[in-house]
Amino acid sequence: AQKVTQAQTEISVVEKEDVTLDCVYETRDTTYYLFWYKQPPSGELVFLIRRNSFDEQNEISGRYSWNFQKSTSSFNFTITASQVVDSAVYFCALSEAGAGTASKLTFGTGTRLQVTL
Amino acid sequence: SQTIHQWPATLVQPVGSPLSLECTVEGTSNPNLYWYRQAAGRGLQLLFYSVGIGQISSEVPQNLSASRPQDRQFILSSKKLLLSDSGFYLCAWTSGDRGTKTQYFGPGTRLLVL
Repeated sequence: AQKVTQAQTEISVVEKEDVTLDCVYETRDTTYYLFWYKQPPSGELVFLIRRNSFDEQNEISGRYSWNFQKSTSSFNFTITASQVVDSAVYFCALSEAGAGTASKLTFGTGTRLQVTL
Repeated sequence: SQTIHQWPATLVQPVGSPLSLECTVEGTSNPNLYWYRQAAGRGLQLLFYSVGIGQISSEVPQNLSASRPQDRQFILSSKKLLLSDSGFYLCAWTSGDRGTKTQYFGPGTRLLVL
Protein backbone atom coordinates (compact mmCIF):
# COMPACT_ATOMS: atom_id res chain seq x y z
CA ALA A 1 0.00 0.00 0.00
CA GLN A 2 1.10 3.52 -0.69
CA LYS A 3 1.69 6.03 2.05
CA VAL A 4 2.71 9.68 2.26
CA THR A 5 3.96 11.17 5.50
CA GLN A 6 4.18 14.87 6.24
CA ALA A 7 5.50 14.91 9.76
CA GLN A 8 5.30 18.68 10.17
CA THR A 9 1.76 19.53 11.12
CA GLU A 10 2.29 23.28 11.37
CA ILE A 11 5.19 25.64 10.72
CA SER A 12 5.38 29.33 11.57
CA VAL A 13 8.01 31.59 10.05
CA VAL A 14 8.62 35.28 9.76
CA GLU A 15 8.47 36.81 6.31
CA LYS A 16 11.68 36.48 4.27
CA GLU A 17 12.77 33.36 6.09
CA ASP A 18 13.39 30.19 4.10
CA VAL A 19 11.25 27.19 4.99
CA THR A 20 11.37 23.52 3.99
CA LEU A 21 8.35 21.25 4.03
CA ASP A 22 9.16 17.57 4.35
CA CYS A 23 7.52 14.70 2.52
CA VAL A 24 8.38 11.02 2.84
CA TYR A 25 6.61 8.39 0.77
CA GLU A 26 6.26 4.62 0.59
CA THR A 27 5.39 2.61 -2.50
CA ARG A 28 6.19 -0.75 -4.04
CA ASP A 29 5.84 0.60 -7.56
CA THR A 30 8.95 1.31 -9.57
CA THR A 31 7.14 3.93 -11.62
CA TYR A 32 5.15 6.55 -9.77
CA TYR A 33 4.47 10.27 -9.61
CA LEU A 34 4.88 12.75 -6.79
CA PHE A 35 2.99 16.01 -6.43
CA TRP A 36 2.76 19.10 -4.29
CA TYR A 37 -0.46 21.06 -3.94
CA LYS A 38 -1.20 24.32 -2.15
CA GLN A 39 -4.50 24.86 -0.36
CA PRO A 40 -5.07 28.54 0.50
CA PRO A 41 -7.85 29.57 2.90
CA SER A 42 -10.34 29.54 0.02
CA GLY A 43 -10.00 25.75 -0.04
CA GLU A 44 -9.23 25.06 -3.66
CA LEU A 45 -6.20 22.84 -4.24
CA VAL A 46 -3.65 24.49 -6.50
CA PHE A 47 -1.25 22.23 -8.39
CA LEU A 48 2.40 23.20 -7.88
CA ILE A 49 4.57 20.44 -9.32
CA ARG A 50 4.64 16.86 -10.59
CA ARG A 51 7.73 14.69 -10.59
CA ASN A 52 8.16 11.27 -12.22
CA SER A 53 9.99 8.56 -10.32
CA PHE A 54 12.62 8.22 -13.02
CA ASP A 55 13.46 11.93 -13.01
CA GLU A 56 15.46 12.87 -9.92
CA GLN A 57 16.45 16.29 -11.15
CA ASN A 58 15.70 18.98 -8.63
CA GLU A 59 13.54 21.80 -9.85
CA ILE A 60 13.38 25.50 -9.14
CA SER A 61 10.49 27.77 -9.99
CA GLY A 62 10.97 31.29 -8.73
CA ARG A 63 11.08 31.15 -4.92
CA TYR A 64 10.00 27.48 -4.93
CA SER A 65 12.35 24.52 -5.19
CA TRP A 66 11.91 20.79 -4.85
CA ASN A 67 14.44 18.15 -3.78
CA PHE A 68 13.59 14.60 -4.89
CA GLN A 69 15.74 11.82 -3.44
CA LYS A 70 14.74 8.24 -4.24
CA SER A 71 17.41 6.88 -1.87
CA THR A 72 15.55 8.34 1.10
CA SER A 73 12.06 8.28 -0.46
CA SER A 74 11.71 11.99 0.09
CA PHE A 75 10.32 14.86 -1.95
CA ASN A 76 10.91 18.04 0.03
CA PHE A 77 9.67 21.50 -0.86
CA THR A 78 11.54 24.70 -0.03
CA ILE A 79 10.20 28.23 -0.16
CA THR A 80 12.91 30.85 -0.26
CA ALA A 81 12.28 34.30 1.19
CA SER A 82 8.77 33.39 2.31
CA GLN A 83 5.92 35.87 1.95
CA VAL A 84 2.61 36.25 3.73
CA VAL A 85 0.85 35.05 0.56
CA ASP A 86 2.59 31.70 1.01
CA SER A 87 0.44 31.03 4.08
CA ALA A 88 -1.57 27.92 3.25
CA VAL A 89 -1.77 24.20 3.81
CA TYR A 90 0.60 22.29 1.56
CA PHE A 91 -0.07 18.70 0.56
CA CYS A 92 2.34 16.14 -0.82
CA ALA A 93 0.76 13.34 -2.84
CA LEU A 94 1.74 10.10 -4.57
CA SER A 95 0.19 8.43 -7.59
CA GLU A 96 0.90 4.98 -8.91
CA ALA A 97 1.49 4.62 -12.63
CA GLY A 98 -0.81 1.63 -12.69
CA ALA A 99 -2.80 0.01 -15.44
CA GLY A 100 -5.45 2.01 -17.22
CA THR A 101 -5.74 5.75 -17.22
CA ALA A 102 -7.13 6.49 -13.76
CA SER A 103 -4.71 8.25 -11.46
CA LYS A 104 -5.46 7.68 -7.78
CA LEU A 105 -3.72 10.09 -5.47
CA THR A 106 -2.63 9.24 -1.95
CA PHE A 107 -2.27 12.44 0.06
CA GLY A 108 -0.27 13.26 3.12
CA THR A 109 -2.05 14.96 5.99
CA GLY A 110 -0.67 18.34 4.99
CA THR A 111 1.55 20.98 6.57
CA ARG A 112 0.03 24.29 7.57
CA LEU A 113 2.45 27.12 6.87
CA GLN A 114 1.90 30.44 8.61
CA VAL A 115 4.04 33.35 7.43
CA THR A 116 3.89 36.47 9.57
CA LEU A 117 5.26 39.96 9.16
CA SER B 1 -8.30 26.07 -21.47
CA GLN B 2 -9.97 23.64 -19.11
CA THR B 3 -12.07 24.70 -16.17
CA ILE B 4 -13.85 22.72 -13.50
CA HIS B 5 -16.97 23.86 -11.69
CA GLN B 6 -18.64 22.65 -8.53
CA TRP B 7 -21.92 23.61 -6.96
CA PRO B 8 -23.21 24.48 -4.61
CA ALA B 9 -20.28 26.20 -2.91
CA THR B 10 -21.78 25.75 0.55
CA LEU B 11 -24.56 23.56 1.83
CA VAL B 12 -26.17 23.05 5.23
CA GLN B 13 -28.39 19.99 5.44
CA PRO B 14 -30.22 18.17 8.23
CA VAL B 15 -29.38 14.60 9.12
CA GLY B 16 -31.40 12.17 7.05
CA SER B 17 -31.90 14.51 4.11
CA PRO B 18 -30.73 13.66 0.56
CA LEU B 19 -27.65 15.13 -1.10
CA SER B 20 -26.64 15.97 -4.63
CA LEU B 21 -23.36 17.69 -5.46
CA GLU B 22 -22.45 18.42 -9.05
CA CYS B 23 -19.16 18.75 -10.84
CA THR B 24 -18.66 19.71 -14.48
CA VAL B 25 -15.56 20.12 -16.58
CA GLU B 26 -15.20 22.36 -19.60
CA GLY B 27 -12.63 22.42 -22.37
CA THR B 28 -11.75 18.73 -22.51
CA SER B 29 -13.25 15.46 -23.64
CA ASN B 30 -13.21 12.01 -22.03
CA PRO B 31 -11.69 13.19 -18.75
CA ASN B 32 -11.18 10.97 -15.75
CA LEU B 33 -13.14 12.39 -12.85
CA TYR B 34 -12.65 12.05 -9.10
CA TRP B 35 -14.46 12.88 -5.85
CA TYR B 36 -12.47 13.53 -2.68
CA ARG B 37 -13.57 14.40 0.83
CA GLN B 38 -11.56 16.43 3.29
CA ALA B 39 -12.73 16.22 6.89
CA ALA B 40 -11.95 19.21 9.12
CA GLY B 41 -8.21 19.52 9.69
CA ARG B 42 -7.43 16.36 7.76
CA GLY B 43 -6.01 15.22 4.45
CA LEU B 44 -7.95 14.24 1.39
CA GLN B 45 -9.61 10.89 0.93
CA LEU B 46 -10.51 9.56 -2.51
CA LEU B 47 -14.17 8.53 -2.58
CA PHE B 48 -14.96 7.69 -6.22
CA TYR B 49 -13.42 7.91 -9.64
CA SER B 50 -14.72 7.46 -13.16
CA VAL B 51 -12.96 6.78 -16.45
CA GLY B 52 -16.10 7.12 -18.59
CA ILE B 53 -19.85 7.60 -18.73
CA GLY B 54 -21.59 5.19 -16.39
CA GLN B 55 -18.29 3.81 -15.08
CA ILE B 56 -17.85 4.39 -11.35
CA SER B 57 -15.24 2.93 -9.02
CA SER B 58 -15.71 3.24 -5.28
CA GLU B 59 -12.74 3.50 -2.98
CA VAL B 60 -14.42 3.64 0.39
CA PRO B 61 -17.69 1.90 1.32
CA GLN B 62 -19.97 4.50 2.84
CA ASN B 63 -23.20 6.37 2.75
CA LEU B 64 -22.45 8.04 -0.58
CA SER B 65 -22.77 7.15 -4.24
CA ALA B 66 -21.58 8.69 -7.48
CA SER B 67 -22.86 8.82 -11.03
CA ARG B 68 -21.59 10.06 -14.35
CA PRO B 69 -24.55 10.70 -16.63
CA GLN B 70 -22.57 12.71 -19.19
CA ASP B 71 -18.97 12.80 -20.32
CA ARG B 72 -18.06 15.92 -18.34
CA GLN B 73 -20.50 15.66 -15.45
CA PHE B 74 -19.89 13.88 -12.16
CA ILE B 75 -22.47 13.77 -9.38
CA LEU B 76 -22.08 12.81 -5.74
CA SER B 77 -25.24 11.72 -3.96
CA SER B 78 -26.66 10.38 -0.76
CA LYS B 79 -30.15 9.20 0.11
CA LYS B 80 -29.80 9.99 3.82
CA LEU B 81 -27.04 12.16 5.18
CA LEU B 82 -25.17 11.35 8.37
CA LEU B 83 -23.38 13.75 10.68
CA SER B 84 -20.12 12.14 9.61
CA ASP B 85 -20.74 13.21 6.01
CA SER B 86 -19.84 16.78 6.92
CA GLY B 87 -16.70 17.98 5.20
CA PHE B 88 -15.21 19.67 2.19
CA TYR B 89 -15.88 17.84 -1.07
CA LEU B 90 -13.53 18.32 -3.96
CA CYS B 91 -13.93 17.20 -7.53
CA ALA B 92 -10.89 16.72 -9.75
CA TRP B 93 -10.11 15.76 -13.33
CA THR B 94 -7.26 14.35 -15.32
CA SER B 95 -6.88 13.92 -19.02
CA GLY B 96 -8.07 10.55 -20.24
CA ASP B 97 -4.73 9.99 -21.94
CA ARG B 98 -2.71 7.17 -20.46
CA GLY B 99 0.40 9.21 -19.75
CA THR B 100 -1.14 12.25 -18.08
CA LYS B 101 -1.44 12.01 -14.32
CA THR B 102 -1.85 15.51 -12.94
CA GLN B 103 -5.17 16.08 -11.18
CA TYR B 104 -6.71 19.54 -11.28
CA PHE B 105 -9.23 20.40 -8.62
CA GLY B 106 -12.43 22.37 -8.51
CA PRO B 107 -13.29 25.04 -5.93
CA GLY B 108 -15.01 22.54 -3.64
CA THR B 109 -18.30 22.30 -1.74
CA ARG B 110 -18.46 22.79 2.02
CA LEU B 111 -21.12 20.51 3.48
CA LEU B 112 -22.36 20.83 7.03
CA VAL B 113 -24.77 18.20 8.28
CA LEU B 114 -26.68 19.19 11.40
